[in-house]
Parts: sequence; structure tokens; C-alpha cells
Amino acid sequence: DAGITQSPRYKITETGRQVTLMCHQTWSHSYMFWYRQDLGHGLRLIYYSAAADITDKGEVPDGYVVSRSKTENFPLTLESATRSQTSVYFCASSDGGEISPLHFGNGTRLTVT
Amino acid sequence: AQSVAQPEDQVNVAEGNPLTVKCTYSVSGNPYLFWYVQYPNRGLQFLLKYITGDNLVKGSYGFEAEFNKSQTSFHLKKPSALVSDSALYFCAVRDSSSNTGKLIFGQGTTLQVKP
Repeated sequence: DAGITQSPRYKITETGRQVTLMCHQTWSHSYMFWYRQDLGHGLRLIYYSAAADITDKGEVPDGYVVSRSKTENFPLTLESATRSQTSVYFCASSDGGEISPLHFGNGTRLTVT
Repeated sequence: AQSVAQPEDQVNVAEGNPLTVKCTYSVSGNPYLFWYVQYPNRGLQFLLKYITGDNLVKGSYGFEAEFNKSQTSFHLKKPSALVSDSALYFCAVRDSSSNTGKLIFGQGTTLQVKP
């Protein structure tokens, strides 16, 4: 089925470990985004990508790394997880342009202990 | 700096009554405004957008939003609320500093519709 999928849905990891959150979309959308959702903060942009091999920082990029070797995949890596990175992470995609809505995955709930 | 504010953390309405979820914005240039809904344990779903034209925008599930330039507001409305409308609602504005389609979100408003 076409859409945007995130994996895993739930993840528990320990402080200091590396963890990668996966995002895959089947629409061939050019733009992809990673947001984190925290109570009281709404959604904040971590990183985004305009195309394969083109990525840029958002509002809260520290502690995160992204890559985009293929149009359909946009993994987010926490190099050394911290408790402050406990959050719900959403991946989104768009076919581009200023007026195109974002399409969101169902999220990954990450807990760092 | 561009921003979006949702002044109410929660809105409570009775089923069948009209509902309004408030949103105000601050942007440089033309505002491109969006409303999204989030159900528990799900991602955000697009409801409607304002780009230009008619100030009353109609969207999914019977929702509409009224753009008011003088008040810099974009309130979400529905004439008759359903219990199934209970969810978390986000207002968002396009980040006009780039053409990548980035959105800036408000903090969200929980809508509770009681039978």
C-alpha cells in the first residue's frame, strides 16, 4: 500500500546507545521531514531533506544525524541517546512546493532510560 | 520570526453544539496556514489549508476554518460537533524563509466532545 511507514513503533534504549529510527515512503515525494512531539512544545522540526543526498537542519538538530541515499528512505539516528531525547518522533513527506500538505507516519515512541 | 499560537490547551463542547478551536499567527509575507488532527497513537492528518482567496476554507470531516487577516487568526470551526471529533488539533504555518515546505506548528489544542 502507498504511504509512509515508520519503524519501530516503540523503542526503549539506554542512555549512550545509538539508535536509528526508520522512515519509508512510497509516493516518491521529494521532501521529507523529521519532527519530534513533546508535551507543551507541539511539533519541532529536527531535520529535513529536499531530495536524495540533500539534507538540512531544523529547529532542534543537536544529537541527531540523518541521511538520504534513496528518495524513499530517510532514517534518523541518535548517535548517543540522552533522556532528553525521550519523545515521539514523526516522519513526514511532501511532493514539494509551498502549498503542499505534509503526510505523516504514525510515529515512533522512543524512551531513553 | 514566524510563529503560531493556540491559546487554549483544551476545548470542551457538547455533541451537536458548534465548536471553535483558535489559532493566531505571525508571519512575514503571505501566510500559508494549515490545520491537522491527531488521533491517539496516530500521526497527524491534514484537514484543510488556506493559501489565498475565499476567507472561509472547507476541509475534511465537515470542518472549516476562517481566515482573518486583520486579526491574524485562522480559527477552526464545525457547526455540529461529534464525539468522534475528540482529538488533538494543530494549527501550522508555512515557514516562508525557505521553499522547502517546512511547517511551524502550534502547541496543539485537545478537543473533547461530550455526549
